[in-house]
Amino acid sequence: QLQLQESGPGLVKPSETLSLTCTVSGGPISSSGYYWGWFRQPPGKGLEWIGSMYYNGISFYNPSLKSRVTISGDTSKNQFSLNLRSVTVADTAVFYCATQTIAPATFHYWGQGSLVTVSS
Amino acid sequence: QSALTQPPSASGSPGQSVTISCTGTSSDVGSYNYVSWYQQHPGKAPKVMIHEVSKRPSGVPDRFSGSKSGNTASLTVSGLQAEDEADYYCSSYAGSNTLVFGGGTKLTVL
Repeated sequence: QLQLQESGPGLVKPSETLSLTCTVSGGPISSSGYYWGWFRQPPGKGLEWIGSMYYNGISFYNPSLKSRVTISGDTSKNQFSLNLRSVTVADTAVFYCATQTIAPATFHYWGQGSLVTVSS
Repeated sequence: QSALTQPPSASGSPGQSVTISCTGTSSDVGSYNYVSWYQQHPGKAPKVMIHEVSKRPSGVPDRFSGSKSGNTASLTVSGLQAEDEADYYCSSYAGSNTLVFGGGTKLTVL
């Protein structure tokens, strides 16, 4: 069974870059057909899809965040990462990584979430 | 790409049924049978309850069912139980390898 774990700084300053890593166990991120995604949830608010990386390394992004986001993978470490540039306080959220393996456009396995606060 | 529309809240008594709607557009819900429903308890990660409009993953009780008509998808929870009290989110494929979520519905078991 796949397990995912987010890691990274819990506090980021405005205008800087938020960087998170998702470590995957139980299967390689290069598994054919799998998508690896990032999501966020501001405190007390709903879920938002940030973007996904296909198993071949090609990434797709939420149009509203596309100019600030990069998702990439490191197969040697079995990790994939999120970089969100030029953050503001509005980017404060719990960030989740997850994977789509079983059904199209459905993320079955999720990390526990990582709270990132943007504050000076 | 706009968020899908869900009612902010829904409620029902134990044993009753409740239906939560999720309204999108002809660019997402209306065009693809890739609607998923997630259950989220406070402080926990989302859990898939329904995928591809009406399919239940292994382990999800058959009290949960999904359907779609036009641009609106629905999640029905039958035989409500206390543990069903949670936030529920719909999501839909929106083309070009993108996803869109609904704003979420807080389900209260009275």
